[in-house]
Amino acid sequence: AQSVTQPDIHITVSEGASLELRCNYSYGATPYLFWYVQSPGQGLQLLLKYFSGDTLVQGIKGFEAEFKRSQSSFNLRKPSVHWSDAAEYFCAVGAEYGNKLVFGAGTILRVKS
Amino acid sequence: DTGVSQNPRHKITKRGQNVTFRCDPISEHNRLYWYRQTLGQGPEFLTYFQNEAQLEKSRLLSDRFSAERPKGSFSTLEIQRTEQGDSAMYLCASSLDSTYEQYFGPGTRLTVT
Repeated sequence: AQSVTQPDIHITVSEGASLELRCNYSYGATPYLFWYVQSPGQGLQLLLKYFSGDTLVQGIKGFEAEFKRSQSSFNLRKPSVHWSDAAEYFCAVGAEYGNKLVFGAGTILRVKS
Repeated sequence: DTGVSQNPRHKITKRGQNVTFRCDPISEHNRLYWYRQTLGQGPEFLTYFQNEAQLEKSRLLSDRFSAERPKGSFSTLEIQRTEQGDSAMYLCASSLDSTYEQYFGPGTRLTVT
């Protein structure tokens, strides 16, 4: 069965600092990987996805993520965080059948000025 | 394209009552998913439809839960004899067939008192 681990429940960074959110997955085949962001009271917004090909993928809002098969990781990065990036971030893996998504527990990002 | 919409946005009900939620997917999307999200957790898959056919149901979907998508457009999720443990955010998502990009609605927050 698929699973996703996001080791950090909370992360606090200063505005303008770089950000890396960790995600590790467990899946037997080539995974379909996603990062979503959720602001309070809102649904999930897709930031980026990895299906195949280039292991460094670019997303919206200046985010990028790197797929590392050897480490079963798909970490999310941003070079300079803005106060508006404060939200909860979820990593997800597409399951083998039916392409349901399996989500991690999320990482809450706080941005201090 | 107005995105995925869900109604109502909030629902407070007493234990034992029945509730029904509605999801309107993005118009050209033929796949529709239901997820449940509890506080501090990532969304958990409940069920999904391809057109009007319900193709997979999670073990989380007890016999008190039923979902329909009668004409392959909007979907309803009904919970009968609600319990306090049903309190959660119910999220709907839609996608094109096999694109693996799921777009989420704002969710319906259910509170069972």
